[in-house]
Amino acid sequence: DGGITQSPKYLFRKEGQNVTLSCEQNLNHDAMYWYRQDPGQGLRLIYYSQIVNDFQKGDIAEGYSVSREKKESFPLTVTSAQKNPTAFYLCASSTSSMHTEAFFGQGTRLTVV
Amino acid sequence: KQEVTQIPAALSVPEGENLVLNCSFTDSAIYNLQWFRQDPGKGLTSLLLIQSSQREQTSGRLNASLDKSSGRSTLYIAASQPGDSATYLCAPAVIHYGGATNKLIFGTGTLLAVQP
Repeated sequence: DGGITQSPKYLFRKEGQNVTLSCEQNLNHDAMYWYRQDPGQGLRLIYYSQIVNDFQKGDIAEGYSVSREKKESFPLTVTSAQKNPTAFYLCASSTSSMHTEAFFGQGTRLTVV
Repeated sequence: KQEVTQIPAALSVPEGENLVLNCSFTDSAIYNLQWFRQDPGKGLTSLLLIQSSQREQTSGRLNASLDKSSGRSTLYIAASQPGDSATYLCAPAVIHYGGATNKLIFGTGTLLAVQP
């Protein structure tokens, strides 16, 4: 089945730890995105990548890092510098064309313990 | 800066009713607008995509309209069913944002409950 796979579904982080969220797509999409969702707020863009080996900061990039070494993969690292990391993280992808549909994964819920 | 507002924030209707969800946005310079559905604890499912040159788009019992000049979109759901219960999100894709081709700006959604 074509789609976007995020793992793990649930993740627990201790204070001061870095954790990495996985996002893989087999849709052959060039563009990939990471969003954060908090209760009562709309989704906010963390990072996006339009092509392999290139990525750009979104609205709330502080405390996060990404890499795009392969077209199908766009992992997100939540570093210890992110002061409030507890949230629902969503990965998305689309073709690079400006007129195309974006598709989302099932999300990873990160909790700080 | 693009801001998106969805009204109402929550809606409860009996099964079988037709209903309208509203979305307004402040910047009409958009590529397209997508409507999504989100079930509790799940990811987003794309429902409809309306290009900026289109006025409406239909899929089954769903019909979405777009009035770009006034910054408004509506999602019409016909003959609602309990399985339609979810949060509905609209997201225009902005043009002017650091060269990103498809940056979606999200509203906070409308929480729909369809009572059997």
